[in-house]
Amino acid sequence: AQSVTQPDIHITVSEGASLELRCNYSYGATPYLFWYVQSPGQGLQLLLKYFSGDTLVQGIKGFEAEFKRSQSSFNLRKPSVHWSDAAEYFCAVGSPTDSWGKLQFGAGTQVVVTP
Amino acid sequence: DAGVTQSPTHLIKTRGQQVTLRCSPKSGHDTVSWYQQALGQGPQFIFQYYEEEERQRGNFPDRFSGHQFPNYSSELNVNALLLGDSALYLCASSLLISYNEQFFGPGTRLTVL
Repeated sequence: AQSVTQPDIHITVSEGASLELRCNYSYGATPYLFWYVQSPGQGLQLLLKYFSGDTLVQGIKGFEAEFKRSQSSFNLRKPSVHWSDAAEYFCAVGSPTDSWGKLQFGAGTQVVVTP
Repeated sequence: DAGVTQSPTHLIKTRGQQVTLRCSPKSGHDTVSWYQQALGQGPQFIFQYYEEEERQRGNFPDRFSGHQFPNYSSELNVNALLLGDSALYLCASSLLISYNEQFFGPGTRLTVL
């Protein structure tokens, strides 16, 4: 069965420190991969996406993600977090053969930023 | 340019009742998808509408139904509400030709008592 796993439910990081959020997927073929962020009371905002090509993807707000086919992973990173990065982060996958664009989300990782 | 808007923001219903949630897509978008996000979980795909027809459906019972209007706005209807239907309901809009660019609204928080 297809699945998206975010192993870390909750991560606490100090402001200015680096952040890495893990995402693993189980899929028949390489899916389309996405990272979204959700702040309290807000909808989901797309941070970045991977379809093909360069495996290191740059996104908004200083985030980047690396696709590793051998590990079925798409981890999100930020070199130096800001207090405003406190939010919930979701990894999502979509099928390249699905023209309608249905997304399957992981359970999310809650990020807390301490001073 | 307004993004995706949803109404109402919050809603409280009792078991067995029916509810209608509304979504206006981002200007220029022609496709609307609905997701259910239970507390502590990621969003789950309910269904998607394009050209006023349901095009794809997730693993949700027939109690969940929808509609898309000629102006691309959409409604989500849930009949015979259960306690387990309590969740944040998210609407996402996109252009059919642009798979990846789904823009999400702030959601409607539904509480079933």
